Amino acid sequence: QVQLQESGPGLVKPSQTLSLTCTVSGGSISSGTYYWSWIRQHPGKGLEWIGYIYYSGSTYYNPSLKSRVTISVDTSKNQFSLKLSSVTAADTAVYYCARVLDRRIFDYWGQGALVTVSS
Amino acid sequence: SYELTQPPSVSVSPGQTASITCFGDKLGDKYASWYQQKPGQSPVLVIYQDFQRPSGIPERFSGSNSGNTATLTISGTQAMDEADYYCQAWDSSTGVFGTGTKVTVL
Repeated sequence: QVQLQESGPGLVKPSQTLSLTCTVSGGSISSGTYYWSWIRQHPGKGLEWIGYIYYSGSTYYNPSLKSRVTISVDTSKNQFSLKLSSVTAADTAVYYCARVLDRRIFDYWGQGALVTVSS
Repeated sequence: SYELTQPPSVSVSPGQTASITCFGDKLGDKYASWYQQKPGQSPVLVIYQDFQRPSGIPERFSGSNSGNTATLTISGTQAMDEADYYCQAWDSSTGVFGTGTKVTVL
């Protein structure tokens, strides 16, 4: 069964870049069947889709975050990553990585990583 | 931008039926999915493509989608179903989640 695990710093200073990595196990990120996505959840709030990537490197981003987001993939490590630049306290959230079936169904999720933006 | 609106809360007695609505412009023309999230846990897919249940999801979970409204129905609700539920759809290749509904089993 596929598993996803987020990793990265839990504390980021304002104006810096948030960086997270999602490691996929139990399946190949290069299988071609799936896209790979990042989703976040502000404390006590709802879910917000950030974007997704295909193993080839094709990306799709939420227009509301597009100017600050970069999602990349490393097929040799079976990982994909998120970079969010110029962060503020409003970017404090739990960040989830997820597998996307048929480009529209989030069928497997990581456990989530809390990232706090604070000086 | 596209929006999906859900009622903030729904209360249901054990064994009764809970219905959670999700409203969006012409939502019936899109596929809707539903996710269950319990406190401190990651979301879990419970319905996709309007009414399909993933393997392992109990039959008491069902879905429908028509017009501007998608509905998640939990029949014979159990205490373990108490959670937040989010609808989700795609609009112009952008993923959109609903505002979320807290289901309380009284």
